[in-house]
Amino acid sequence: GQQLNQSPQSMFIQEGEDVSMNCTSSSIFNTWLWYKQDPGEGPVLLIALYKAGELTSNGRLTAQFGITRKDSFLNISASIPSDVGIYFCAGLRSSNYQLIWGAGTKLIIKP
Amino acid sequence: GAGVSQSPSNKVTEKGKDVELRCDPISGHTALYWYRQSLGQGLEFLIYFQGNSAPDKSGLPSDRFSAERTGGSVSTLTIQRTQQEDSAVYLCASSLPTGTRGNTIYFGEGSWLTVV
Repeated sequence: GQQLNQSPQSMFIQEGEDVSMNCTSSSIFNTWLWYKQDPGEGPVLLIALYKAGELTSNGRLTAQFGITRKDSFLNISASIPSDVGIYFCAGLRSSNYQLIWGAGTKLIIKP
Repeated sequence: GAGVSQSPSNKVTEKGKDVELRCDPISGHTALYWYRQSLGQGLEFLIYFQGNSAPDKSGLPSDRFSAERTGGSVSTLTIQRTQQEDSAVYLCASSLPTGTRGNTIYFGEGSWLTVV
């Protein structure tokens, strides 16, 4: 099915570094979701964005809903070992209730 | 309430048992949705309620899954004779009627179900 373009596919970072990932689409969305999946566990909803231009923070996480409504980014500041996992974005249109999702960004922290 | 509320947040159950997951939507929202995400998968639509109309059950994976929405507010998703493949996060969302201008769908934090 249709997917959002999520990048990067994977990231290798040092502890303490900032992280940035994004999702883009050729279509407009009314809601963007970011969630994280820890190794061997289920996904957890991190941040939900509901308005174009909205900037929302959740601790060290910050996400923004792009002005064009076709993109979103997620930033993680001062990464720590427990940030390791796969981060997914998902978009939703108000015309229907089907979610379109990204392929995920795998975050790995270098020892 | 201020947001979509789901309970329980975590549930561990034995294979073969029935489980009920509850969703309390935002007050005034007539549309309610259930989604789930299994390990390594994207979010999957399950069922949609809109006011007094017949629900759209097209996403329910089997007849072991059912959902009710009594009084046009709280919804319960029931999974009978749970199987290990039912382990997933179940997300509930609510909104004004689909197609309403400027409408937004608001998600709860999810119920994480583990079938052992």
